[in-house]
Amino acid sequence: EAGVAQSPRYKIIEKRQSVAFWCNPISGHATLYWYQQILGQGPKLLIQFQNNGVVDDSQLPKDRFSAERLKGVDSTLKIQPAKLEDSAVYLCASSLSAGTDTQYFGPGTRLTVL
Amino acid sequence: DAKTTQPPSMDCAEGRAANLPCNHSTISGNEYVYWYRQIHSQGPQYIIHGLKNNETNEMASLIITEDRKSSTLILPHATLRDTAVYYCVLTSYGKLTFGQGTILTVHP
Repeated sequence: EAGVAQSPRYKIIEKRQSVAFWCNPISGHATLYWYQQILGQGPKLLIQFQNNGVVDDSQLPKDRFSAERLKGVDSTLKIQPAKLEDSAVYLCASSLSAGTDTQYFGPGTRLTVL
Repeated sequence: DAKTTQPPSMDCAEGRAANLPCNHSTISGNEYVYWYRQIHSQGPQYIIHGLKNNETNEMASLIITEDRKSSTLILPHATLRDTAVYYCVLTSYGKLTFGQGTILTVHP
């Protein structure tokens, strides 16, 4: 069974530029999550989707971050404009459904903002 | 804020059992205990989870105390490839809140 796919794996941009990350969850998984992991810390949830609807985006900095999952499968996370403090690994995870179903993570995208 | 407390680092000799503790004294009745690990430059990998009973799978065993206020992850025969950051996470309704985790170093 294929795992969660993410691209790109690495991205370097200058501050005030925009960037987008893509995630393809495990086939059949209705719930999709985006996490931000700053160096030396555990992952922090940014947004949770159930199919194509947002369940929780309370930790998403909505002035610069946006995410969508239009057809309930793939998802994109965008940052516009980027700040230095956005340098982090952005992880995508998916699960069969919300609740107690196990989340499976992708390899992440490492973003460096100069 | 994370609801679990783990030691920042632990060492283990290759071939020996690694016992990683986790305190979760404020756990709610509907919260599961999950363990993930993260090897450098990779996403977190699911290891095991449980609610009340002890659990075992091909990777590890999970021992949860009767009062559910603490748990221990056991890697029965640690190898060098088990060197990673191990996270103990509580979850209900799908929300994972990660703490700092334990850096486990397995020595030859």
